[in-house]
Amino acid sequence: GAVVSQHPSRVICKSGTSVKIECRSLDFQATTMFWYRQFPKQSLMLMATSNEGSKATYEQGVEKDKFLINHASLTLSTLTVTSAHPEDSSFYICSARPTWTTSNEKLFFGSGTQLSVL
Amino acid sequence: GQQLNQSPQSMFIQEGEDVSMNCTSSSIFNTWLWYKQDPGEGPVLLIALYKAGELTSNGRLTAQFGITRKDSFLNISASIPSDVGIYFCAVSRGAQKLVFGQGTRLTINP
Repeated sequence: GAVVSQHPSRVICKSGTSVKIECRSLDFQATTMFWYRQFPKQSLMLMATSNEGSKATYEQGVEKDKFLINHASLTLSTLTVTSAHPEDSSFYICSARPTWTTSNEKLFFGSGTQLSVL
Repeated sequence: GQQLNQSPQSMFIQEGEDVSMNCTSSSIFNTWLWYKQDPGEGPVLLIALYKAGELTSNGRLTAQFGITRKDSFLNISASIPSDVGIYFCAVSRGAQKLVFGQGTRLTINP
């Protein structure tokens, strides 16, 4: 089956530093990838839609200069949390939609990245 | 924005019991999805529903797409320890983004 690899699975960083999270589709190509944030005991909230070769679309309230998204190839999207602060600590999850479908039920999710900012 | 009301928020049951959870919305949707998330992992799709009134099973799991297209339920029969996790409903209107419910946290006592 389709696999989405997300790396790192866990990262601890100091306040003010930047952290990059990678999302790779291992056995399929994905024109569109999505980035979500999940706080403890809460639901997944969509942060942005990443489109290969073009600018990401951010959800209302998500700062694009703080959460930089790059989708430079059909198999890789990266999310960089710039100047991280403790309130950015969260579980970040990506999902990828194969190029052969426009259906959201065909999304494949990564295993998430737990970010802890000290 | 679009909002799903999922209930219950949490369930504590004995192994072997049946489980039922549901999701409602004020809007109509064309697709209802049910996911399971294990701790520290991304969600995994359990069942996808495409047609109003549709009843679909996946092993011990059964889900239905409400006739009004504004609700769905998920049942788990004869629960086992590996059913522990958080269950999310999600909706999609066409190729638009997924919107997730608040989740139902299932705990099973052996």
